Amino acid sequence: SYELTQPPSVSVSPGQTASITCSGDKLGDTFACWYQQRPGQSPVLVLYQDNKRPSGIPDRFSGSNSGNTATLTISGTQTTDEADYYCQVWANNTVVFGGGTKVTVL
Amino acid sequence: EVQLVESGGGLVQPGGSLRLSCATSGFTFRSYGMSWVRQAPGKGLEWVASILQDGNKKYYLDSVKGRFTISRDNAKNSLFLQMNSLSVEDTGLYYCARGSPNWGSDYWGQGILVTVSS
Repeated sequence: SYELTQPPSVSVSPGQTASITCSGDKLGDTFACWYQQRPGQSPVLVLYQDNKRPSGIPDRFSGSNSGNTATLTISGTQTTDEADYYCQVWANNTVVFGGGTKVTVL
Repeated sequence: EVQLVESGGGLVQPGGSLRLSCATSGFTFRSYGMSWVRQAPGKGLEWVASILQDGNKKYYLDSVKGRFTISRDNAKNSLFLQMNSLSVEDTGLYYCARGSPNWGSDYWGQGILVTVSS
C-alpha cells in the first residue's frame, strides 16, 4: 500500500518560515493536498492540487510537489498557525494521509 | 453556509454494529463526492471510505472492506456509514467530509465519537 512520510514535528519562531515535507514514491506524479488541524477542531483544507489555496486561506500558505516530495511552506508564521498538518493523496483508488506534523511556534 | 452534522455514534461492544449519518445543508449535495475519515484518540487522520456523486462508485480502506458500507441519499442530502463487526481498533472520532477523494475535502463536520469496548 502507498505510504506518505512526514516529520513528526517542526518548530519555528514567529515571523519565520516553516517548511513541512511529505515524502512518497513518485509523489510528484499526483496531486497532493494539505490540512491544518488545531487542537480540538476539525481539519481545514489549506492547499489542494499541490499549491492552490481555498477561499479564506491566507497567502502565507504555499506548496510545491516534485519528485518524491511535497512541501507545505508557511511564510511569516503566526502563533495561530500552531497546529497539526497532514498531507493527503489519492493513490491506487484509496485516500492516503501522512502521519501528521506538529508545528510549534515559539 | 455549508454544514455537515454527524450523528449515530456511541458505545458498542466488539462485534456490534452502528450506523452513522451525516446531514448536510448549504450546498448541492448531489454534485459532490463525500468521505468518512476517522481519528483514533491522540492519533492522526485515517481515511475510511468515499463515495462519488451518483453513489455508484465506492472506495474503502482495506481494513474495513466487507464490514463497512458507505451510502448516500441525494434526495435527503445525507451520507451514511453502516459499520458491522466492529472491533476496538475502530474506536475514534468519525468525520464526514465533502469533496471527491482525489481533490481533497473542503468542508468537514465536527465529528462523532464511536467507542468499541466491552
